Amino acid sequence: DAKTTQPNSMESNEEEPVHLPCNHSTISGTDYIHWYRQLPSQGPEYVIHGLTSNVNNRMASLAIAEDRKSSTLILHRATLRDAAVYYCIEDSTGNQFYFGTGTSLTVIP
Amino acid sequence: NAGVTQTPKFQVLKTGQSMTLQCAQDMNHNSMYWYRQDPGMGLRLIYYSASEGTTDKGEVPNGYNVSRLNKREFSLRLESAAPSQTSVYFCASSGDSYEKLFFGSGTQLSVL
Repeated sequence: DAKTTQPNSMESNEEEPVHLPCNHSTISGTDYIHWYRQLPSQGPEYVIHGLTSNVNNRMASLAIAEDRKSSTLILHRATLRDAAVYYCIEDSTGNQFYFGTGTSLTVIP
Repeated sequence: NAGVTQTPKFQVLKTGQSMTLQCAQDMNHNSMYWYRQDPGMGLRLIYYSASEGTTDKGEVPNGYNVSRLNKREFSLRLESAAPSQTSVYFCASSGDSYEKLFFGSGTQLSVL
């Protein structure tokens, strides 16, 4: 069963920032936090991951709460191509990623 | 730049038939995975292979068998298909544990 909690859906206006939340109520000290997204009719693609510190890459930023019970994926300027289902995943094994139902992001032109 | 290639893309089976889903990656990755995704649901791990010659059960292994033929290829076999196995199947690979997953484009399987 998925160990993370995410809202089922969110909306954002195009070119505005989007903050996608995730709760990790059972996370352990060795669990990495991963984010993937799945565009319509495609396989998931990696977005970002981290352990304790905030992380940035060309796609997004990941903010991790100090107690690690929550994380936020930040898309700095949403585009129509960012419309997808976003999954946050906890993983301590390194090879058993459990995907929940994710957050379906709608980007409004 | 092929990445992870799955065949076939679509398949229709009758209950009780068998078939093998093929997956190959050209990134020299050690780990490979099979997931299924039911409509409106997230992905569930069926089996994974951390390295050539090893396989382990994931969350939903019942009704499936896998073979890690070599480092490139990881196949998923349905011996006796059931309607409950109607789903989209995704293969993925990663360089090693904790590294990011690369997914194929999926196989849409319908069992009538």
